[in-house]
Amino acid sequence: DIQMTQSPSSLSASIGDRVTITCRASQGITNDLGWFQHKPGKAPKRLIYTASSLESGVPSRFSGSGSGTEFTLTISSLQPEDSATYYCLQHNAYPLTFGGGTKVEIK
Amino acid sequence: QVQLQESGPGLVKPSQTLSLTCTVSGVSTSNGVDRWSWIRQPAGGGLEWIGQIEAVGATMYNPSLRSRVIISADTSKSQFSLNLSSVTGADTAVYYCARRGGTSGWSFDYWGQGTQVTVSS
Repeated sequence: DIQMTQSPSSLSASIGDRVTITCRASQGITNDLGWFQHKPGKAPKRLIYTASSLESGVPSRFSGSGSGTEFTLTISSLQPEDSATYYCLQHNAYPLTFGGGTKVEIK
Repeated sequence: QVQLQESGPGLVKPSQTLSLTCTVSGVSTSNGVDRWSWIRQPAGGGLEWIGQIEAVGATMYNPSLRSRVIISADTSKSQFSLNLSSVTGADTAVYYCARRGGTSGWSFDYWGQGTQVTVSS
């Protein structure tokens, strides 16, 4: 299985801060990676697909980068509604695997 | 607008079979392009991919669950189903169905709202 190591597991930041979350794959996955935002009681929402493509309707403060084994989700200016848990997902090989999640809290 | 909705019992007894159905609207489950998955999240835990089915009936399962999982589809009803046998408390989780869009990057672009399943006697 491809292991997805996500860091940090949690962070606390202020409104307007730049936030960066990283996922590292145990082997190369080209750009077969998505990023999801998950709020309690709701379905996860895809933010980024193929590592760097912004989902339609998602604010432009979200961006993704990386290829191979290192990937980054960046929130350029943190907003109150961004409080959530974020997950990466690799779909390069079966079984599909998620990162462990990053809980983002607002200070 | 693509929509998915899970349905099924919220309580299952240990050793029995958990059965859930996902009803899809807004797209044909037999379009031959998309893949239909089940994903779960235990309380306080992360997301775990269970498996998927394609329109032609081909399935892929997570090896960690393969011996207990069957995913099937009824394209005439735009539904696909999950059967997980011999359940224990470790199978207590929120279960989601989701689409992997063949024309939208192959990760999960549409999800159901999720359904809580508790394994308890």
